[in-house]
Amino acid sequence: GQQLNQSPQSMFIQEGEDVSMNCTSSSIFNTWLWYKQDPGEGPVLLIALYKAGELTSNGRLTAQFGITRKDSFLNISASIPSDVGIYFCAGFTNDYKLSFGAGTTVTVRA
Amino acid sequence: NAGVTQTPKFQVLKTGQSMTLQCAQDMNHNSMYWYRQDPGMGLRLIYYSASEGTTDKGEVPNGYNVSRLNKREFSLRLESAAPSQTSVYFCASSESDLRQPQHFGDGTRLSIL
Repeated sequence: GQQLNQSPQSMFIQEGEDVSMNCTSSSIFNTWLWYKQDPGEGPVLLIALYKAGELTSNGRLTAQFGITRKDSFLNISASIPSDVGIYFCAGFTNDYKLSFGAGTTVTVRA
Repeated sequence: NAGVTQTPKFQVLKTGQSMTLQCAQDMNHNSMYWYRQDPGMGLRLIYYSASEGTTDKGEVPNGYNVSRLNKREFSLRLESAAPSQTSVYFCASSESDLRQPQHFGDGTRLSIL
C-alpha cells in the first residue's frame, strides 16, 4: 500500500484541551477515513471524507480532507478521558487499495 | 447486537501447526475483510471478500487462505504457521464493496513459537 505518515506518533492530552493530528501522503487519495482503537478492541470508523476540502464533524471530532488531496486532519475539541486510544488514518487511491497510517497514540497527561 | 465476532481471542501455536481463525457478522453485510496489525504499523489487508462466493488477495496474502463460507462467515487459515505470522488479526465487514471496512471485531491475538 501507499505510505501514510501520521503525526504526531503520540500525544498527551489534558481534559478540556483541543488536540490535532494529521496524516500525509506522497500520493493523491480520493477518500480519507479516520478510525479510533481502544485497548483490546478493534478500530471503530469515526469519520469518512470523500471530497477535497470537505470538512466533516462527528460530535467533538472534526476532520478535513486537504485541498491537495495528499493530507487530512483530525481535531478533537474539549478532550475528555475517554478520548484516549489510538487514532488511525486510512486512505484510498484510485485503485481502491486502502492504506493505513501507523497511528497516533493519545494518552492522558498525569 | 454482536456486530463482528471473532474466535478465538487468543492462541499460541508452534511453528508448522495449522489454525483457522473464525469470523462472523450479523449485520447482513456483503463485504468482509481480514487484516493483521503489527506494532508500529498500520493495519495491512490480507484478504477480502466483496460478496458471498468471491475472495481476493490483499497486500500481504502469502501464507494464508480464506473461505467465505456464506454471507455471515469469513474464515482465515494458516496452513503452516511461521513466527513472522505472530500478530493481532482483525476481521471487518462493510455494507457494500467500497473496500471501506466499517465494523471490526475485537481481534485474535496469535503467537507462533
